[in-house]
Amino acid sequence: QQQVKQSPQSLIVQKGGIPIINCAYENTAFDYFPWYQQFPGKGPALLIAIRPDVSEKKEGRFTISFNKSAKQFSLHIMDSQPGDSATYFCAASNPSYGGYQKVTFGTGTKLQVIP
Amino acid sequence: DVKVTQSSRYLVKRTGEKVFLECVQDMDHENMFWYRQDPGLGLRLIYFSYDVKMKEKGDIPEGYSVSREKKERFSLILESASTNQTSMYLCASIVSGSLSYEQYFGPGTRLTVT
Repeated sequence: QQQVKQSPQSLIVQKGGIPIINCAYENTAFDYFPWYQQFPGKGPALLIAIRPDVSEKKEGRFTISFNKSAKQFSLHIMDSQPGDSATYFCAASNPSYGGYQKVTFGTGTKLQVIP
Repeated sequence: DVKVTQSSRYLVKRTGEKVFLECVQDMDHENMFWYRQDPGLGLRLIYFSYDVKMKEKGDIPEGYSVSREKKERFSLILESASTNQTSMYLCASIVSGSLSYEQYFGPGTRLTVT
């Protein structure tokens, strides 16, 4: 099963709040879990990523929490700012085509951070 | 700096027309991808290519074809455009064997079929 389920579909938080976006997967062969950030009019760009051998990864205000046994991972944005308003996609990848990386994306979460 | 460019930002075509969407990357990447993005559905893979003249179907290839004659260029073709192909189309590339698996995306082409 290649599906990655993402929730919520949209999220509104106040500046300084901590939005949390959740994702769940079924395929235990996935070995790389990136999050992409997409601003209006732009293509998605890699924000942060984690491998299943660690439970947490932080980069600045962005943190991925990973629960391998539950097959779930989440993105937390600390001290959120209006500039964080964007659509966020979780994804999962496995080298299932002889080394050609196929990435399965979640359905996206539109985040709005209000001042 | 990494760059993926797409031939058009906005495109309006009529039902039944043949449509070409072009993507060029300047990073010498082997793997290139075409996705369509629809609200509530996320990014869905249409086709990908792992080398010149090589292609693989993604999750939703019906109604589409692709061409990769040169390493840097990957084209998506709608043989006979239909209204249900109105969408945002995103091209991406990645170097084969990359440990980071990071995909680099173009800005997208918003296609409207009337």
